[in-house]
Amino acid sequence: DIQMTQSPASLSASLGETVTIECLASEDIYSNLAWYQQKPGKSPQLLIYYANSLNDGVPSRFSGSGSGTQYSLKINSLQSEDVSIYFCQQNYDSPYTFGAGTKLELK
Amino acid sequence: EVQLVESGGGLVQPGRSLKLSCAASGFTFSNYGMAWVRQAPTKGLEWVATISYDGSSTYYRDSVKGRFTISRDNAKSTLYLQMDSLRSEDTATYYCARHGWEAYYFDYWGQGVMVTVSS
Repeated sequence: DIQMTQSPASLSASLGETVTIECLASEDIYSNLAWYQQKPGKSPQLLIYYANSLNDGVPSRFSGSGSGTQYSLKINSLQSEDVSIYFCQQNYDSPYTFGAGTKLELK
Repeated sequence: EVQLVESGGGLVQPGRSLKLSCAASGFTFSNYGMAWVRQAPTKGLEWVATISYDGSSTYYRDSVKGRFTISRDNAKSTLYLQMDSLRSEDTATYYCARHGWEAYYFDYWGQGVMVTVSS
């Protein structure tokens, strides 16, 4: 199975700040990497697919990058509504595995 | 508007069975692969099973292989998960999710249904 190591586990940032979340795959996943946002008590929502493609309706302050085994999600100009847990997921090979999540809070 | 609505969850004893359903609307159901993803309380996300757009191919994680069966009825736009021989470690919120076009990320999710396996 492909292991997804996500960091940091938690993150505290101020409004307007830029934050970055990292995801490391245990083998090359050829940009088959998605990012999800999960707000408390809600189902996950797709933010980014194929490492850097922004899903419809997602604000442009979210962006994804990376290749091979290393990927990142960047949030520019942090807003209060961005407080969530963020997960990465590799969709290159079954079983489709997720990172453990990053809990983003406001400072 | 794409909608996925799960049902069928509840409390069940270990070793018993439960069948989840997911009613889909707002898109051509028969064109998309579908999946079940679960989340144990306060834990991360775990892919459970996938079925191809026409039902001809199914894939499972090892821990549910032989116990869970994913199926679909394209005429009814409904996805199913038959769960047999349930274990305490199957306790989770189960989400129905649509796969992206010819891809294995999940672009739409249902609201989830809770399954609790306990005596």
